[in-house]
Amino acid sequence: EPEVTQTPSHQVTQMGQEVILRCVPISNHLYFYWYRQILGQKVEFLVSFYNNEISEKSEIFDDQFSVERPDGSNFTLKIRSTKLEDSAMYFCASGLESNQPQHFGDGTRLSIL
Amino acid sequence: DAKTTQPNSMESNEEEPVHLPCNHSTISGTDYIHWYRQLPSQGPEYVIHGLTSNVNNRMASLAIAEDRKSSTLILHRATLRDAAVYYCILFYNQGGKLIFGQGTELSVKP
Repeated sequence: EPEVTQTPSHQVTQMGQEVILRCVPISNHLYFYWYRQILGQKVEFLVSFYNNEISEKSEIFDDQFSVERPDGSNFTLKIRSTKLEDSAMYFCASGLESNQPQHFGDGTRLSIL
Repeated sequence: DAKTTQPNSMESNEEEPVHLPCNHSTISGTDYIHWYRQLPSQGPEYVIHGLTSNVNNRMASLAIAEDRKSSTLILHRATLRDAAVYYCILFYNQGGKLIFGQGTELSVKP
């Protein structure tokens, strides 16, 4: 069964550094998402992406965040200048249509020191 | 965003059926009822969804009340692998984003 893959599984970064989290969505999916989950808290929506542009973003997704689909397969989340509070699990998801179930990767654990 | 209410936790015995309730009294006519689950150290996993009629798939069944203000996820025979947090989410047909609550943490005893 096709799946969403995320790399790396764990990323450790110094505060203030840039970090890029990578995702390979399911190949025929058209809608892409990033969510995050701070330890012990709810899964939170960050951003949705369709047709090479952001469809919707949450308040969390400020100017320090950006997303990109640099080629036909990868979908990336960049945090420009990381803060301690960015430490969380980041999940990528993809869907065939906007109203279809979303398929999630197993996440990247981001630790900011 | 429409809200759902679920019990914080439930317990089940292995190989017995489990009924996970969800209340969504403010559901609108265009909201689908989606269920996801999150196993330990994994990303959320889609389980099932429905609009008005009861639904079955290989993982579970979804029973939707006639007034749509509540629903129940049914696992017919719980296994140890079903221990997870189960999320009931109202999904606007055009919305795209999933709004997760705290969910119900299901533990399964051998």
